[in-house]
Amino acid sequence: GAVVSQHPSWVICKSGTSVKIECRSLDFQATTMFWYRQFPKQSLMLMATSNEGSKATYEQGVEKDKFLINHASLTLSTLTVTSAHPEDSSFYICSAAGQVVEKLFFGSGTQLSVL
Amino acid sequence: TQLLEQSPQFLSIQEGENLTVYCNSSSVFSSLQWYRQEPGEGPVLLVTVVTGGEVKKLKRLTFQFGDARKDSSLHITAAQPGDTGLYLCAGANAGNNRKLIWGLGTSLAVNP
Repeated sequence: GAVVSQHPSWVICKSGTSVKIECRSLDFQATTMFWYRQFPKQSLMLMATSNEGSKATYEQGVEKDKFLINHASLTLSTLTVTSAHPEDSSFYICSAAGQVVEKLFFGSGTQLSVL
Repeated sequence: TQLLEQSPQFLSIQEGENLTVYCNSSSVFSSLQWYRQEPGEGPVLLVTVVTGGEVKKLKRLTFQFGDARKDSSLHITAAQPGDTGLYLCAGANAGNNRKLIWGLGTSLAVNP
């Protein structure tokens, strides 16, 4: 099956720093990528949808200046958490969908801890 | 706003017991997916049901899509500790079947 690689798996940073998370589709072209946030033992909360070459569409309540999303190529999308604070600590997951395959493939997630 | 109500939210059972997880909505979905997620990992797709009344089996797991395509259930027979995890249902619309509507999840613990 298709593989989506998410990096890093975990990151610890100081409050005020920015953190970049990468999501790569390894064996297919991802025209659409989704970014989610998840708290322990809870469901996925969609943050934004990104299409290659265009601006991301953010869900209500998600600060677009706080969570910068770039989908510059058909195989790579990045989420940058700017000026991270402890309340941004969470598990972030990406998923990718190809042009033909009507399925979502998920990355393995990034655990962000902001001190 | 479309919602998927998933229940129960938490479930702790003994090995060998049976269990059923439900996802209900007032909205019709073109398809519904079930995922299993382990801590520190992304969700893994278990099954997609598309047709109203459809039943799919995956070893000890039985998935059913309601006749009206508004609800679905996951039944696990003779649960094992390896079944422990977070089970998520997600519904898709015909107009945008990539932007899923997620249930709140069921955290299952199977004790040996």
